[in-house]
Amino acid sequence: DGGITQSPKYLFRKEGQNVTLSCEQNLNHDAMYWYRQDPGQGLRLIYYSQIVNDFQKGDIAEGYSVSREKKESFPLTVTSAQKNPTAFYLCASSIALSGANVLTFGAGSRLTVL
Amino acid sequence: RKEVEQDPGPFNVPEGATVAFNCTYSNSASQSFFWYRQDCRKEPKLLMSVYSSGNEDGRFTAQLNRASQYISLLIRDSKLSDSATYLCVVTLNTGFQKLVFGTGTRLLVSP
Repeated sequence: DGGITQSPKYLFRKEGQNVTLSCEQNLNHDAMYWYRQDPGQGLRLIYYSQIVNDFQKGDIAEGYSVSREKKESFPLTVTSAQKNPTAFYLCASSIALSGANVLTFGAGSRLTVL
Repeated sequence: RKEVEQDPGPFNVPEGATVAFNCTYSNSASQSFFWYRQDCRKEPKLLMSVYSSGNEDGRFTAQLNRASQYISLLIRDSKLSDSATYLCVVTLNTGFQKLVFGTGTRLLVSP
């Protein structure tokens, strides 16, 4: 079955450490996204990518980095510069960036900073 | 003002009840509209798109009022399995079709 796989599902990090969250899709979608969800807030866009080797900052990119070396993969690194990294991180994909595209989400990665 | 506003709830209803949620959006240039459903600690999943003429999918009916900038979702004959958070989503053309999510309305259906 096609879908998006995120790993790890749960991750604990000490302050000052970088962590990388994996996102892999086999839907042959061109566009991929990373969102962050905090209690009482809507999903907020961190980064998005329309095509391999191209990505753009979203609304809250500070303290995060991404890469898009393969169409299927869009890993997110949460760096030590991110002040409040504890959150639920969601990766998503869509056929393309343009048009009213429906997003398909992965199951999410829950990051806790100790 | 938030770009997309929803009543957080929770809405507590008995099985079989009809319940309606509203959502307002601030940008009149919003182009597409959706309702997503999110179960506790899970990812959001598309429930239905919302069209100008209104649309229905089984027990669910979505309406769009562009003049007043609000979207509604009506659930008839509520089931226990409808318990979830319902996210209102609009798109803005900011160089790409950026999705803006509401904070969600929580629904609890009880026996």
